[in-house]
Amino acid sequence: EDQVTQSPEALRLQEGESSSLNCSYTVSGLRGLFWYRQDPGKGPEFLFTLYSAGEEKEKERLKATLTKKESFLHITAPKPEDSATYLCAVQARTGTYKYIFGTGTRLKVLA
Amino acid sequence: EPEVTQTPSHQVTQMGQEVILRCVPISNHLYFYWYRQILGQKVEFLVSFYNNEISEKSEIFDDQFSVERPDGSNFTLKIRSTKLEDSAMYFCASRGQGDRSPLHFGNGTRLTVT
Repeated sequence: EDQVTQSPEALRLQEGESSSLNCSYTVSGLRGLFWYRQDPGKGPEFLFTLYSAGEEKEKERLKATLTKKESFLHITAPKPEDSATYLCAVQARTGTYKYIFGTGTRLKVLA
Repeated sequence: EPEVTQTPSHQVTQMGQEVILRCVPISNHLYFYWYRQILGQKVEFLVSFYNNEISEKSEIFDDQFSVERPDGSNFTLKIRSTKLEDSAMYFCASRGQGDRSPLHFGNGTRLTVT
């Protein structure tokens, strides 16, 4: 069965303290891995798509990387406005339309 | 930037009542989805819809649920007889034609069943 696991569940950082979030996946062939940001009471906001192992994408203080079993979202010198839940989702290759989400990492950045 | 819009933002209904949640996907998107998120839990797939028919559905999407694209812009989710456990945030999403296109989500409808 296709599965996505994110760790840690929650993370508290001081402003400027860099860290990484992990997304491990087990799917029958990966079509794409997607990172989203979700603020309280809002829908997930798309950040990145990664397709193949070794690929990297960057946006401001965020950088996403992908291996054959996991993806990392690196946050460099975070600011309080980066506080949110970060979600990882995968789309499997086997003729399925659905995107499977992990449980997310709740990030809190303290000023 | 184009966005997915959902109405209402909050719906309160009594157990056993029918509800219709409405969505306007991004205009040039062809694939439409409903997901739900129970408070504090993960975003769960309900159904995907393409070319005026359901392309895939989850175990959650039983006979009480139905989807419809009544015209060229709206996409609806109907729950025929709501249960307490249907209380959740319901998200509509759409994506473009590419196989690896990301989903774009609306801000959800919070459904409270009393």
